[in-house]
Amino acid sequence: AQSVSQHNHHVILSEAASLELGCNYSYGGTVNLFWYVQYPGQHLQLLLKYFSGDPLVKGIKGFEAEFIKSKFSFNLRKPSVQWSDTAEYFCAVTGSNTGKLIFGQGTTLQVKP
Amino acid sequence: GAVVSQHPSRVICKSGTSVKIECRSLDFQATTMFWYRQFPKKSLMLMATSNEGSKATYEQGVEKDKFLINHASLTLSTLTVTSAHPEDSSFYICSAGDALEGTNSPLHFGNGTRLTVT
Repeated sequence: AQSVSQHNHHVILSEAASLELGCNYSYGGTVNLFWYVQYPGQHLQLLLKYFSGDPLVKGIKGFEAEFIKSKFSFNLRKPSVQWSDTAEYFCAVTGSNTGKLIFGQGTTLQVKP
Repeated sequence: GAVVSQHPSRVICKSGTSVKIECRSLDFQATTMFWYRQFPKKSLMLMATSNEGSKATYEQGVEKDKFLINHASLTLSTLTVTSAHPEDSSFYICSAGDALEGTNSPLHFGNGTRLTVT
């Protein structure tokens, strides 16, 4: 069955700390991978996406993610987090011929000033 | 950028009544829209795929007679929760992709609707 697993449910960091959020997926065939962010009181926004090509993808606000096909992973990273990065982060996957997204459970990131 | 408008943002209804939630793509056309439900543990579950001019496709375990979906135009999809019960209380989110960008385009999400059934 198609699924996405996010290992960290709640992460607490201090400002300037480095961030890595894990995401593993189970999906037959070619996949497209996404990271979405939901700031408090706001709707989901796209951080970055991977369709093909360079497996290291750079997104907005200094985020990046690396697609490792052999590990079925698409971990999100940021070298130095800010208080404004406090939010919910969702990893999602879809097949190459469908727009349906399968979401992970989400990770709550809390950045302490 | 592309905007998806969802209305209402919050609704409280009595058990047994029906509630309609609208999802509009404001500056693009969407032949397909998606309805998700966000549970208290934060995971989003895809409920159904709304197809313009045809019947919606429901995910396994989602009652199509309870969650009625209508996609009458390229910019509007509605979700009606019929005979609502307290267990239907949840956060419902719609999304849409730009028809011109194809099925691989990232989706744009509405702000969601918080439904509380008393």
